[in-house]
Amino acid sequence: NAGVTQTPKFRVLKTGQSMTLLCAQDMNHEYMYWYRQDPGMGLRLIHYSVGEGTTAKGEVPDGYNVSRLKKQNFLLGLESAAPSQTSVYFCASSPLSTYRGSGEQYFGPGTRLTVT
Amino acid sequence: AQKVTQAQTEISVVEKEDVTLDCVYETRDTTYYLFWYKQPPSGELVFLIRRNSFDEQNEISGRYSWNFQKSTSSFNFTITASQVVDSAVYFCALGRDSGGGADGLTFGKGTHLIIQP
Repeated sequence: NAGVTQTPKFRVLKTGQSMTLLCAQDMNHEYMYWYRQDPGMGLRLIHYSVGEGTTAKGEVPDGYNVSRLKKQNFLLGLESAAPSQTSVYFCASSPLSTYRGSGEQYFGPGTRLTVT
Repeated sequence: AQKVTQAQTEISVVEKEDVTLDCVYETRDTTYYLFWYKQPPSGELVFLIRRNSFDEQNEISGRYSWNFQKSTSSFNFTITASQVVDSAVYFCALGRDSGGGADGLTFGKGTHLIIQP
């Protein structure tokens, strides 16, 4: 049981390049999330998904797209990378709660992205 | 809009001292959920606790304890007899009662805790 995994762990991009970050979870969780962490800023929600085939915008969605074609995978895409997207990206998943509301989120190890 | 404030950017104490990390939140929801996560130097995020807004009981887990006070919108975290291994960044987070699903957490900016030997 690997939990939440993220690919790649590190990446350097040039401005304007595109890339996709892959998040995979093997816990059969319904909910998945992408956050970014910047120094002194905590974690901010980019996009999230409450089920296969559904996605929604979070606090800072601009410049990113996501897809959840399979329940276990959540992809984050940068179509045209900018230096402002230099950050550490965390994926998380959460099980369907037996009652309404936010359940515990399980985080992946993070992807460190640098855009030059 | 939801907001979490961790006013202490960095705290440094000597090992074995007790230390309290403050967390103040803002929400218009009547039902909500509060969390604490630990991020050690290795970078991963480790879940510590989840608390429902309708349960104001304080909780103790070993050297860790949490004080939830709805009247002051605070959810403070105390480490008793701190150890060097407690050195990390600690995040407080707030989640909504979103009905149809869970729409992510709002995090504070974190408190960097340094435990000196």
